[in-house]
Amino acid sequence: DIQMTQFPSSLSASVGDRVTITCRASQSITSYLNWYQQKPGRAPKLLIYAASSLQSGVPSRFSASGSGTDFTLAINSLQPEDFATYYCQQGYSAPWTFGQGTKVEVK
Amino acid sequence: QVQLQESGPGLVKPSGTLSLTCAVSGGSISSDNWWSWVRQSPGKGLEWIGEVHHTGTTNYNPSLRSRLSLSLDKSSNQFALKVAFVTAADTALYFCATRADFWSGYFDSWGQGILVTVSS
Repeated sequence: DIQMTQFPSSLSASVGDRVTITCRASQSITSYLNWYQQKPGRAPKLLIYAASSLQSGVPSRFSASGSGTDFTLAINSLQPEDFATYYCQQGYSAPWTFGQGTKVEVK
Repeated sequence: QVQLQESGPGLVKPSGTLSLTCAVSGGSISSDNWWSWVRQSPGKGLEWIGEVHHTGTTNYNPSLRSRLSLSLDKSSNQFALKVAFVTAADTALYFCATRADFWSGYFDSWGQGILVTVSS
């Protein structure tokens, strides 16, 4: 199985901040990396697919980059609705695996 | 995008079988989509369980393979999950989800989730 590691596991930020989250794969997954946002008790929501493609309807303050084993999700000008947990997921080979999550909390 | 809705018992006894169904609307279960189950133990991360395609092809998480069964019901546009010999470790919020085709390794539609507790 491909192991996905995210860091940090949590971070504190304020509205208007720029936030970055890193995800590392245990082997190369080329660009088959996806990002999700999850709020408590809710289903994950796809934000980014194929490493850098913004899902329809997702605000442009979300962006992502990377290839191979190292990937980054950035949120520019953090909004109140962005406080949530973010997960990366590799779509390179089954079993599909997720990172352990990064919780973005209010500072 | 399709809409997904999970249903099933919220309480299962230890050593019993967990059975859930996911109803698909806004699309056909016989499309190129792959139909998945993902679970989230309380306070934990996301674990992919397995997926099924309308051709009958399945992919299972090796960690659960021996206890899993995934199936499709084309007549009712639903797919189902069975997990046998459950323990407290199977207590989780279970989501159904879908990816658009074989090459799309991302889940673009999700159900709202259903909490299943394993307890006597």
